[in-house]
Amino acid sequence: DQQVKQNSPSLSVQEGRISILNCDYTNSMFDYFLWYKKYPAEGPTFLISISSIKDKNEDGRFTVFLNKSAKHLSLHIVPSQPGDSAVYFCAASAIQGAQKLVFGQGTRLTINP
Amino acid sequence: GAVVSQHPSRVICKSGTSVKIECRSLDFQATTMFWYRQFPKQSLMLMATSNEGSKATYEQGVEKDKFLINHASLTLSTLTVTSAHPEDSSFYICSATIAGDSYNEQFFGPGTRLTVL
Repeated sequence: DQQVKQNSPSLSVQEGRISILNCDYTNSMFDYFLWYKKYPAEGPTFLISISSIKDKNEDGRFTVFLNKSAKHLSLHIVPSQPGDSAVYFCAASAIQGAQKLVFGQGTRLTINP
Repeated sequence: GAVVSQHPSRVICKSGTSVKIECRSLDFQATTMFWYRQFPKQSLMLMATSNEGSKATYEQGVEKDKFLINHASLTLSTLTVTSAHPEDSSFYICSATIAGDSYNEQFFGPGTRLTVL
């Protein structure tokens, strides 16, 4: 049972445009959400997070939006740059739990020059 | 700061042998270390959570006798895949949280690619 889903395995975006990566979850106990970026042969690196008490969190070019009623979150990258090409994972946790992260399958983002 | 290393980065072994993977926090003390497994085109799946000096907590469906975890110090955790079989071939990643960090952010190692022939 996949509790966190990223339904788009890949996404291709023109440099300078907005990249939007989507993530859906099913477990209503999740109250903290994170996005990680992963390059080949490297471990995931933390990008941005959002608590369930917020609906938006912004950090430079990266903004995460959370829609609790739809159990949906999205990561917006604007403007997109070639260095953003990587696999992006969304992850969720229930703060009350033991720090466990549940990951989505990942979306491979390719930024075209 | 907050660098996590794994060794080896890649290992190929014969079926039936045991393989040990090390996870080290290089510049911090890790309260907790996590072991994940990732099959091709799938998500990272948490296998177990280990705290220094205590037994690891395994996720449902993960055989604790097959995947032995030792967390002997605040900077080192090891995962031993015993009697490895081809279906154990996967990408194994560890992560660690910093002792005293209230955010419990996980820092990931680069992963170990295990191929069992």
